[in-house]
Amino acid sequence: DAGVTQSPTHLIKTRGQQVTLRCSPISGHKSVSWYQQVLGQGPQFIFQYYEKEERGRGNFPDRFSARQFPNYSSELNVNALLLGDSALYLCASSARDPHHPRFMNTEAFFGQGTRLTVV
Amino acid sequence: KQEVTQIPAALSVPEGENLVLNCSFTDSAIYNLQWFRQDPGKGLTSLLLIQSSQREQTSGRLNASLDKSSGRSTLYIAASQPGDSATYLCAVPEFNNAGNMLTFGGGTRLMVKP
Repeated sequence: DAGVTQSPTHLIKTRGQQVTLRCSPISGHKSVSWYQQVLGQGPQFIFQYYEKEERGRGNFPDRFSARQFPNYSSELNVNALLLGDSALYLCASSARDPHHPRFMNTEAFFGQGTRLTVV
Repeated sequence: KQEVTQIPAALSVPEGENLVLNCSFTDSAIYNLQWFRQDPGKGLTSLLLIQSSQREQTSGRLNASLDKSSGRSTLYIAASQPGDSATYLCAVPEFNNAGNMLTFGGGTRLMVKP
């Protein structure tokens, strides 16, 4: 059974451009979360979706947006790219609804990430 | 707001040594704590998840302990090998106005020399 898959693996963009990153969760998982990991730091929470609804949003500018599709895959979009957006973008999937009382005890599974370089 | 800290930020040891990685958190009301391994430029691989009611979890040469009252967790790696070289991250689940998320430490970058 495939784990969390992300595409593309690597991406190079120019400042001001727009980028779309894709994530497919583990089969049967309906919750997808996005994290940004700048080099040398731990991942920071960006978005969380469950059954196409936004369940959480971290402290990121409006240039960042996301959506989830009926098959539970997700896209992360970043507009007007800045050099500081260069990072590893990680997707995680979980089986439970983030609003479920036991979600906090639900293990998250991460993909291999997309390395975005903005030049 | 939960803050997670990992010390040291980097560690270099000779092969065969036993070593301890540290993780501390500011809010002791956690549900669990998870340790991850990350190879350079790659995603996160879950190593161990300790529930708040547990004090220890073991997997092979890895042993993780949790002391909620002191806000600390340690990851013990026995008989280290060059293949253990990676960054090790700890994370705790947090629920706040932003949603339900994992809050990560900055990681410990481990190098095991042959």
